[in-house]
Amino acid sequence: EVQVVESGGGLVKPGGSLRLSCAASGFTFNTYSMNWVRQAPGKGLEWVASIDSTSTYIYYADSLKGRFTISRDNAENSLYLQMNSLRAEDTAVYFCATEGSCTDDVCLTDSWGQGTLVTVSS
Amino acid sequence: QPVVTQSSSASASLGSSVKVTCTLSSGYSSYIIAWHQHQPGKAPRYLMKVERSGNYNKGSGVPDRFSGSSSGADRYLTISNLQSEDEADYYCETWASKSHVFGSGTKVTVL
Repeated sequence: EVQVVESGGGLVKPGGSLRLSCAASGFTFNTYSMNWVRQAPGKGLEWVASIDSTSTYIYYADSLKGRFTISRDNAENSLYLQMNSLRAEDTAVYFCATEGSCTDDVCLTDSWGQGTLVTVSS
Repeated sequence: QPVVTQSSSASASLGSSVKVTCTLSSGYSSYIIAWHQHQPGKAPRYLMKVERSGNYNKGSGVPDRFSGSSSGADRYLTISNLQSEDEADYYCETWASKSHVFGSGTKVTVL
């Protein structure tokens, strides 16, 4: 069974940094592209970043403007999100997700973690 | 103009059917989409992907009452024999211009 478990969320002051982790199990992690998706309070799902299986192709939402960095360690079956210069508007539940629903060269999200809450407040 | 557009809400009676629509904007009308269900406090759940042809492929364990279809730029999620546990937010997702794009979500209410 595919399982992804996020950790690392918490309360951080504006301008601070936080590193989220996602532990993967139940599938061949090093063959899957992975995503981070977030949901701010009362809002919808918002894609944050994607990374392919070999860390060759990495994409970010334009709104992040270089503050976030996605990475992975295939030896550890882990995905990461380094978040710097955090703002109040980054307050959200952050979900780790697999990109396993593929048709031709398009892969969409097909499994999700429970999420980890990040609160940015002074 | 957003890549995908969803109506904000839909409702139907227990045991009836509801159809949720995801509309792809001009230039993206042939794109494949995925449907996800999200209930408050839970992990989102992948339901299916829907192709332009109307073919759909469901995720593991998704009940038979969930189905997909397509017409032009519209991709549909139909829930038949609506159950109380189907009350949730439903999001469509596509891949466009090197980005995953989620719709704004449709809140389905079971009356």
